[in-house]
This record gives sequence, structure tokens and C-alpha cells, in this order.
Amino acid sequence: DQQVKQNSPSLSVQEGRISILNCDYTNSMFDYFLWYKKYPAEGPTFLISISSIKDKNEDGRFTVFLNKSAKHLSLHIVPSQPGDSAVYFCAASLPYGKLTFGQGTILTVHP
Amino acid sequence: DGGITQSPKYLFRKEGQNVTLSCEQNLNHDAMYWYRQDPGQGLRLIYYSQIVNDFQKGDIAEGYSVSREKKESFPLTVTSAQKNPTAFYLCASSPTTHEQFFGPGTRLTVL
Repeated sequence: DQQVKQNSPSLSVQEGRISILNCDYTNSMFDYFLWYKKYPAEGPTFLISISSIKDKNEDGRFTVFLNKSAKHLSLHIVPSQPGDSAVYFCAASLPYGKLTFGQGTILTVHP
Repeated sequence: DGGITQSPKYLFRKEGQNVTLSCEQNLNHDAMYWYRQDPGQGLRLIYYSQIVNDFQKGDIAEGYSVSREKKESFPLTVTSAQKNPTAFYLCASSPTTHEQFFGPGTRLTVL
């Protein structure tokens, strides 16, 4: 039972354009959502997060949008850079802190 | 400088042998976690500990054991009962109930 899903295994974007990564969840008890970036053979690094009481959070080139009624969140990267090429995981947290991760989306940004 | 260390980076084990993966943090975080990542899949929670001398099973605890005798350390033992132990293992720690910070990972291969 996959409670957090990233339905696009991969995304290819031109440098300078917008990258949009999507994530759907099923458990309405999730109260916090996070995005992580991961390079091969390394641990994930925290990127940006959003509380369920908000619908948008921005940090530089990264913006996360949350649509609670649709149980959907997205990560926007503008402008995309080749160094953004990595696997992106969304994660959802229950109030006591346990994270549930999606399967990941491989982002490739072409120069 | 502060961080999470995992050792070794690569580990080879013969079938039927137990093996222990090390995870140490000097961030003064209360909570620590173990995940496993398989190709094309997200991170799946094995065990977690929110306080010293206490730990809880995650979603895939069978064949694994942990201890939390010190705040800084959360070793994971992969026992011979784990049917498919070859994977990338990630340790994380957290100061709050949400953001988790990851170590560099250990690649375990069973020969």
C-alpha cells in the first residue's frame, strides 16, 4: 500500500526552464511534507518542506505547492540548472515524525 | 564539524553471516532512523529510535536488529534471517519531528 506516490519515474528539462516534480499521497493524517535530493551512492539531502497548514513555501529557486483537497504536492525549480540533475524524493510525515517516502523521480537538466 | 557518519561505505557478506552497520552522529539529535533503498524504489523504514534505550520497528524490520545504548550511536545488524539483504542502507537523525538528516550510506552486497 503505497501511501506516497511519485508517478513519473523520470523528467527531462532544458537548462533555464522550469522543472515540475509531482507527488500524490493518500493518508489525510500527514501533516508535513518534505523534498529531498539524492545523488547516486550518497545520502539524500533536505531541500524544502511545507506544513499542511500552508499551501506554498519558497526558498530561492525552489517552491513547493500543497493542494490538500487533491492530496497533491509539487516542487518547482526555476530556473533549472545542470547541477539540479539528481533523484528527487518527496516524503510525508505523520505528527509523531515517521517519514514515508515516494519512489523518486530522476531529473535530468540538459545544458 | 557536525554530521552523520556511516561505516563502512561498502560491505560484502557471505550468505548466512550476520553483519553490523555503524551509524554515529554528533548533532545531539534525539531521534535516529535506518532505511533501506533498493533500485527504483523509495526509502523504506527499518527501525527508528526517538530516545536512548528505546526503539520501534519500521515497515520492514524482519531480519534486522538495532540497539540504542548511546545518543550518538544507532548500529544496525543485518541477520541471516534477512532473505534479501543486498541494498543501500541509510541512517538518519532528526532534532525535530519532521526534518531528517542523512548519512552517506552503506552499500551491502551478499555474495
